[in-house]
Amino acid sequence: QVQLVESGGGVVQPGRSLRLSCGASGFTFSSYGMHWVRQAPGKGLEWVADISYDERDKYYADSVKGRFTISRDNSKNTLYLQMNSLRAEDTALYYCAKGTQYADYWYFDLWGRGTLVTVSS
Amino acid sequence: QSALTQPASVSGSPGQSITISCTGTSSDVGGYNYVSWYQQHPGKAPKLVIYEVSNRPSGVSNRFSGSKSGNTASLTISGLKAEDEADYYCSSYTSSSTLVVFGGGTKLTVL
Repeated sequence: QVQLVESGGGVVQPGRSLRLSCGASGFTFSSYGMHWVRQAPGKGLEWVADISYDERDKYYADSVKGRFTISRDNSKNTLYLQMNSLRAEDTALYYCAKGTQYADYWYFDLWGRGTLVTVSS
Repeated sequence: QSALTQPASVSGSPGQSITISCTGTSSDVGGYNYVSWYQQHPGKAPKLVIYEVSNRPSGVSNRFSGSKSGNTASLTISGLKAEDEADYYCSSYTSSSTLVVFGGGTKLTVL
């Protein structure tokens, strides 16, 4: 079954850290770029970060650059997002999304159900 | 404020056609053919319905079509069905430092 399953969300105080995970199954994970996209409660979608299939290239939205780190473990079919120095405005449902094979064509054809991150004191 | 501009809402009756616009700049929509569209039902994850301006993924109804003219992309849904009622988001690659931008979303109501 082709799917993505996120985990690791929760309630965290401002300034603290959290690591999200996304397990992939049903496709050759190591051949695809992967992304994180978030959605604040009642708001629209915001792209967060992207990692190439071989982890050589990583890109970030300006809003998270320097605070978030995307990584992957192709041996475990898992994508990660390390979030440091969290702010209230990072509160959102974080989706893991599958990109395209090898090269980036900047669309996402498979999404997980998301994991909720709430930053609050 | 979102980087791409979409109407907040559109509506149509079953069987009719509607079009949702997505306006950007020459740095995103107008400069690249990397426009995609996503459908999101309440409480659900987004679903890709159009990629690279006008391509439909396997399994998506041919009632969905996409196009682009200048800095504006459009999603057209023909033969509206009740199940099409959802939020729709456009997205584009951008030459700015944030590589992907989304529109603010359009709520489609099927009357």
